[in-house]
Amino acid sequence: GDSVTQMEGPVTLSEEAFLTINCTYTATGYPSLFWYVQYPGEGLQLLLKATKADDKGSNKGFEATYRKETTSFHLEKGSVQVSDSAVYFCALSPSQGGKLIFGQGTELSVKP
Amino acid sequence: DAGVIQSPRHEVTEMGQEVTLRCKPISGHDYLFWYRQTMMRGLELLIYFNNNVPIDDSGMPEDRFSAKMPNASFSTLKIQPSEPRDSAVYFCASSFTGIEQYFGPGTRLTVT
Repeated sequence: GDSVTQMEGPVTLSEEAFLTINCTYTATGYPSLFWYVQYPGEGLQLLLKATKADDKGSNKGFEATYRKETTSFHLEKGSVQVSDSAVYFCALSPSQGGKLIFGQGTELSVKP
Repeated sequence: DAGVIQSPRHEVTEMGQEVTLRCKPISGHDYLFWYRQTMMRGLELLIYFNNNVPIDDSGMPEDRFSAKMPNASFSTLKIQPSEPRDSAVYFCASSFTGIEQYFGPGTRLTVT
């Protein structure tokens, strides 16, 4: 069945460091891919999305490119801030829609 | 615009009691999803509705769990009787397309 695998956390970085969180997926057809962010005590917020191969999603300095050849959707940011500390979830929606399949989440901690 | 609204935000109850969680989706969204989040199992889809009709309830743990959507603006998730292993954060999400989902703040349930 469809699945998402993320790199394990926690990831600890210094402010202004470069961030990469790896995400790979297994799916039939042409899924849509997402990154969600969850701040402590809050619900999940949609961070960015890509709906077809080679699409690049971007928001708030974060980027991810839908790579069908490597079945990946890695999250990147050039310079992280303390306020980016949160748990990041990679997710896919199967081509027929209707549900999100989440990775296990990666906790990011940014130190000043 | 108001996002997804969930109530209560926190619920503490004793084992064996009935628990009802409530959700108001974003106006105009035809899809509604219930998720459960725990440290051990991560985010799990319990059930989702389209146009008030349950489409996939394969994630509902057992007969103690039931969900209803009597109209387009309201859904409930009920646990009867509750057990300590039901302790988790329960999220409701809604979607216009069935693909891009918007989450509520969650209900933190503790069953003692």
